[in-house]
Amino acid sequence: DGGITQSPKYLFRKEGQNVTLSCEQNLNHDAMYWYRQDPGQGLRLIYYSQIVNDFQKGDIAEGYSVSREKKESFPLTVTSAQKNPTAFYLCASAGWEGYTFGSGTRLTVV
Amino acid sequence: KQEVTQIPAALSVPEGENLVLNCSFTDSAIYNLQWFRQDPGKGLTSLLLIQSSQREQTSGRLNASLDKSSGRSTLYIAASQPGDSATYLCAVYSGAGSYQLTFGKGTKLSVIP
Repeated sequence: DGGITQSPKYLFRKEGQNVTLSCEQNLNHDAMYWYRQDPGQGLRLIYYSQIVNDFQKGDIAEGYSVSREKKESFPLTVTSAQKNPTAFYLCASAGWEGYTFGSGTRLTVV
Repeated sequence: KQEVTQIPAALSVPEGENLVLNCSFTDSAIYNLQWFRQDPGKGLTSLLLIQSSQREQTSGRLNASLDKSSGRSTLYIAASQPGDSATYLCAVYSGAGSYQLTFGKGTKLSVIP
C-alpha cells in the first residue's frame, strides 16, 4: 500500500538539542511538505520541496532545516534555535490525486 | 493572501441526522479544494478532492460541493454515525498546477449516540 511513514511517533527534546523527524513516502510524488499543528492555530507550513535537491521556506521556517537528497525522503531537523518546538508535526506529499498525510510526530521539550 | 474560514468551529448532533459543514475562502481564484478528517492525535485523512473543473464529489455518505464564484464549499454528511466524530478540515489550492494549500481551522464534529 502506498503511503507516508513518519517516525518516531513521539519525540522528546532537551533544551539546546537538535532532533530530526523522519518522513518517507512510496507514492512517487515529487512534492513534499512539513506542517506544524498547534491547538487553536491550524496547520502552518514550515518547508516544502517540489523536486529532489531543492526546497523552499514556508511561513514559519525559522529554527528548522530540511534536506531532500532522495525523492522518497524529506527529513525535518528541529534545531536549538527553535524556541518553542513543542507541537504536532505532519509530513505530506502531493500528486494529481491530492495531498496524503503521514500519521504525525508529537515533539515535546523536556 | 488567501484566508479559509470554517463555521461553526464545533458542532454536536444526534446520531442519524444529516448535516452540512461550511468552508469559505477569500480569493476565488483557487485551483482545487480538498476535505480532510482528523481524529485526535492522528494525521489527516483525505475525504474528497474537488478538482478545478468539477463542482462536486461524492464518496459514500459524503458529498462535497464547490462554488468558486461565491468562495464557498460545503461538506454534506448523510445519516451521521458516532464514528463520524472528528475534526473536519477544508483546504484550498491556490494557482493552477500549484500544490500550495491554505487550511481552515476546522470544524469539530461530535455525533451523539
